[in-house]
Amino acid sequence: EVQLLESGGGTVQTGGSLRLSCEASGFTFKSYAMYWVRQAPGKGLEWVAYLSASGGTTNYGDSGKGRFTISRDNSKNMLFLQMNSLRAEDTAVYYCAKEGYCAGDCYSGLDHWGQGTLVTVSS
Amino acid sequence: EIVLTQSPATLSLSPGERATLSCRASQSVYTYVAWYQQKPGQAPRLLIYDASNRATGVPARFSGSGFGTEFTLTIMNLEPEDFAVYYCQQRTNWPTTFGQGTRLEIK
Repeated sequence: EVQLLESGGGTVQTGGSLRLSCEASGFTFKSYAMYWVRQAPGKGLEWVAYLSASGGTTNYGDSGKGRFTISRDNSKNMLFLQMNSLRAEDTAVYYCAKEGYCAGDCYSGLDHWGQGTLVTVSS
Repeated sequence: EIVLTQSPATLSLSPGERATLSCRASQSVYTYVAWYQQKPGQAPRLLIYDASNRATGVPARFSGSGFGTEFTLTIMNLEPEDFAVYYCQQRTNWPTTFGQGTRLEIK
């Protein structure tokens, strides 16, 4: 059974830093791209960051560019999100999600999600 | 950035009815669209990938269609557990984007 377990959320002051972790199990972690997606209270889904299976390609949403860093340790089946210079608008539940597999030229979607970890940025 | 516009924002239906949810893209996204269901306090769940393929374990009453800029998620014979918020997502190019969601509520 695929499991994604986030941790590291909490309350931090404006300008502070947090490192989120996502422990993966039940699949060959090193073979799949991973994402961070967030959801502000009462709002919709917002993509934060992407990391390829090998770790060689990253992409960031505008909200996190220059402040957030996504990384992975394939030897430990772990995904991370380092968040610096946090702002009130970064307050959200942060989900890690696994990209699925799609044979050929297609999009597989995010087929497994963690339960999320809440980040609250306060002044 | 490709903008996805979902309609309606809220859909009020009764169990047993058919739901039709729309997702319109600001430019062609071919078939690189996924649909998710989210219930209160839960993570999103993948329903449909590549516009029309049901994810593992998704009931056959859920179907997706579309190509280019117009996509539809159809739910036949609504069950009580289907009332939730639904999001579409495109992954044609970066940034990947989500629609703002359609809330399916019990009438």
